Amino acid sequence: GAGVSQSPRYKVAKRGQDVALRCDPISGHVSLFWYQQALGQGPEFLTYFQNEAQLDKSGLPSDRFFAERPEGSVSTLKIQRTQQEDSAVYLCASSLEGARNQPQHFGDGTRLSIL
Amino acid sequence: AQKITQTQPGMFVQEKEAVTLDCTYDTSDQSYGLFWYKQPSSGEMIFLIYQGSYDEQNATEGRYSLNFQKARKSANLVISASQLGDSAMYFCAMREGPSDMRFGAGTRLTVKP
Repeated sequence: GAGVSQSPRYKVAKRGQDVALRCDPISGHVSLFWYQQALGQGPEFLTYFQNEAQLDKSGLPSDRFFAERPEGSVSTLKIQRTQQEDSAVYLCASSLEGARNQPQHFGDGTRLSIL
Repeated sequence: AQKITQTQPGMFVQEKEAVTLDCTYDTSDQSYGLFWYKQPSSGEMIFLIYQGSYDEQNATEGRYSLNFQKARKSANLVISASQLGDSAMYFCAMREGPSDMRFGAGTRLTVKP
């Protein structure tokens, strides 16, 4: 399809394990964003890429969270030594560019459950 | 500080009637963008409508319109002729810069047959 693709759709991990979440943005979209959405709440910004450059990572909650986009297309969000409070839906979004009037197009998210 | 406020945790509307979902925002920037997204129970976030801070006319997209009152810093979403498929969570969001997209807590809309 032509939309943002995220995998896996669901991920269950034991506390302490590392996880990697993948995002494949819409082809040609320069900007890529990661959000964390807790149950019953709105998405919270984690980090932003323009091409391969990570321009804003102010929303990453701890140094256990790491994101990369090495070739300016696919991005991976990695969470090390997972904890129960990391359980959430992780949403990836992309937009054509970083302008304020550009809507962000979201993937279906990865639902992460930490046991 | 909360930048986007949605004061209605839940709303009900009768099918075929119109409904207004409230959103107020806080910013000191002159240039910003306002967005509404729909999130059905399946989880995907669907872009509905955009309003720029310098746009003089209210945005419209089909059955969606945005009641933009800049001085009051409000950007309410109006859905006309509600349909059962409109039942979902609705999020208001503001973008002040390239990365700074902030979302409200959302309003759950239920359309009654």
